[in-house]
Amino acid sequence: GENVEQHPSTLSVQEGDSAVIKCTYSDSASNYFPWYKQELGKRPQLIIDIRSNVGEKKDQRIAVTLNKTAKHFSLHITETQPEDSAVYFCAASKYNFNKFYFGSGTKLNVKP
Amino acid sequence: GAVVSQHPSRVICKSGTSVKIECRSLDFQATTMFWYRQFPKQSLMLMATSNEGSKATYEQGVEKDKFLINHASLTLSTLTVTSAHPEDSSFYICSARVQGGLDEQFFGPGTRLTVL
Repeated sequence: GENVEQHPSTLSVQEGDSAVIKCTYSDSASNYFPWYKQELGKRPQLIIDIRSNVGEKKDQRIAVTLNKTAKHFSLHITETQPEDSAVYFCAASKYNFNKFYFGSGTKLNVKP
Repeated sequence: GAVVSQHPSRVICKSGTSVKIECRSLDFQATTMFWYRQFPKQSLMLMATSNEGSKATYEQGVEKDKFLINHASLTLSTLTVTSAHPEDSSFYICSARVQGGLDEQFFGPGTRLTVL
């Protein structure tokens, strides 16, 4: 099965700085990689995703990069704001199977 | 659009009883729903894939006789925790994939189960 590892487990940054979270996956057949943000006691919300046919995707302050050869992908948040504080999860999935295997999560704390 | 609800949001039960949790897609049809379990400050662990009109497929290590899943319609899946014990206490979250849609899964708000 798929094994997704995520680092770091906690990340503390100053407001305005950038934050980077990294994930690796084991199954080379995985081809869809979403990132979810979960605030305390709430449901995970998709913030960005990337498919294996592209290497990078950007949406305003958020970007994701994918290296298929190395089987790793990263989330980049620029100009962080206190409201970015939450737990972020990466996941890997195979098209048509659609099961999501989540990383262990990163607790991001943005200090004002 | 793409809203998923869960009921109840919280439930407390005595050890040995069974608890049913409902997952509904409110504004779309979902042939596939997923059930996850999340321990405090931990990740979402996939328990099973719920397929409308057929048996659920369980992940390795998940007891199918303990966690009964029924997906009777395109908008409803239920998870029944049978003979619950304190170690079953957890946050249970469902997600749904839009029928014929892309890969994104939409998550429910979760159900906090406490077994006394």
